[in-house]
Order: sequence, then C-alpha cells, then structure tokens
Amino acid sequence: DAGITQSPRHKVTETGTPVTLRCHQTENHRYMYWYRQDPGHGLRLIHYSYGVKDTDKGEVSDGYSVSRSKTEDFLLTLESATSSQTSVYFCAISESPSSVYGYTFGSGTRLTVV
Amino acid sequence: SQQGEEDPQALSIQEGENATMNCSYKTSINNLQWYRQNSGRGLVHLILIRSNEREKHSGRLRVTLDTSKKSSSLLITASRAADTASYFCATASAAGNKLTFGGGTRVLVKP
Repeated sequence: DAGITQSPRHKVTETGTPVTLRCHQTENHRYMYWYRQDPGHGLRLIHYSYGVKDTDKGEVSDGYSVSRSKTEDFLLTLESATSSQTSVYFCAISESPSSVYGYTFGSGTRLTVV
Repeated sequence: SQQGEEDPQALSIQEGENATMNCSYKTSINNLQWYRQNSGRGLVHLILIRSNEREKHSGRLRVTLDTSKKSSSLLITASRAADTASYFCATASAAGNKLTFGGGTRVLVKP
C-alpha cells in the first residue's frame, strides 16, 4: 500500500526464537500501530506509538515489544515466539487518531511459528 | 474483548442488490469507522462518522450512527462483484488515540 511497507511478507520461525517485524512509512505520520488478525477475533491491537520513543500497550501485548527510534520505522519483536503467535500481523499509520482519512494499513506479514 | 460486533457475520447477495450490515459497540466513542478487506490484503478505510453525526454518504456507501443505541449500519447500494470482501467497523475511544475493531462481516456478491 502506498506510503507504508511491511517486511518480511512471510516468515516461518521456530518456537522459542526471537522475531522482528518491520513497518516503514514515508508519510511522516505521527501514529503507528501493530495489529494481529486471527480467525474469529478480527483485528486486535498489540502496541501503538504516538511519536518517536513514545509507545503504549494494546489489548494483546504480552510476549511482544516494540521500538520506534525514527518517525518512519516501527518494529515489533516477538521475544520468544510461540505457536499462539502464528497470525497475520498488520501495521497501520495515521496522521491523527481522528483523521477523516482513517488509518492506512500495510499489506501484512504472515508469520508461522512451528 | 471486541468493542464492535458486526451482524451478520456473513452475507450473500446478487449483483445489483443492496447490502446492509450492522455494528454494535459498548462504550462511548469519538468516532466510528468502516473498513474493507479483500482476501489476503490489508484493510482499506471507507468512511468515518463522528459521534455528533447521524448519517454520512460516500458514493454508494451510506453510514448511520445511533449513539443512544450504540449502533451503526453500513449500506452498500447497487452492489457489484468487486464489493465482495470483509467489512469491519472500528470505534475510536473518547480519547481517540486508537481503534478497536469488530470481527467483520463477510460479503459475497454473486454475478
């Protein structure tokens, strides 16, 4: 999607290994979000950022950490991957939480933990 | 737990018919948004309605909001096969700094 890219697009990893997903934006938006999408659960917020080095937890933050050292990059780390973290992960950006344009989502990262 | 719950979970209609889906939520909101997701893709923002608004239109989309009932509806008129997708409502809290999504409605438009 224009202005936001996620990497990698697909990843298979082993249980217990650390994994880092990257979200990169070129829109200079202040707000960035990480969601996971699972069947039957819709999208659930993991962590979000409201500025460089400013982050907060979402509803499913256990087992995840984030970092934002630059406006354009928001990293999601699974500290020790578990099978329950197999999911599709979406990054989103917005210029303000109430922007009429809503959030812009990346194309997602499909993560499989074996 | 999900703030927004869509109804129905799935909907199958013929091309040219209207599609209506509903969203209910639990707590006070700043705004409510609707998104579309095509299979295997990211979500695309469709429309935002603020808590002090009752109805908005965008092309073939009509959204209503009833804050007294904590519910919203999305109407797609004259549906097309390309409207086949999942549709999600999302609510922004009073602080407005994050969105909470519902489980979505899967819409199939048959040619």
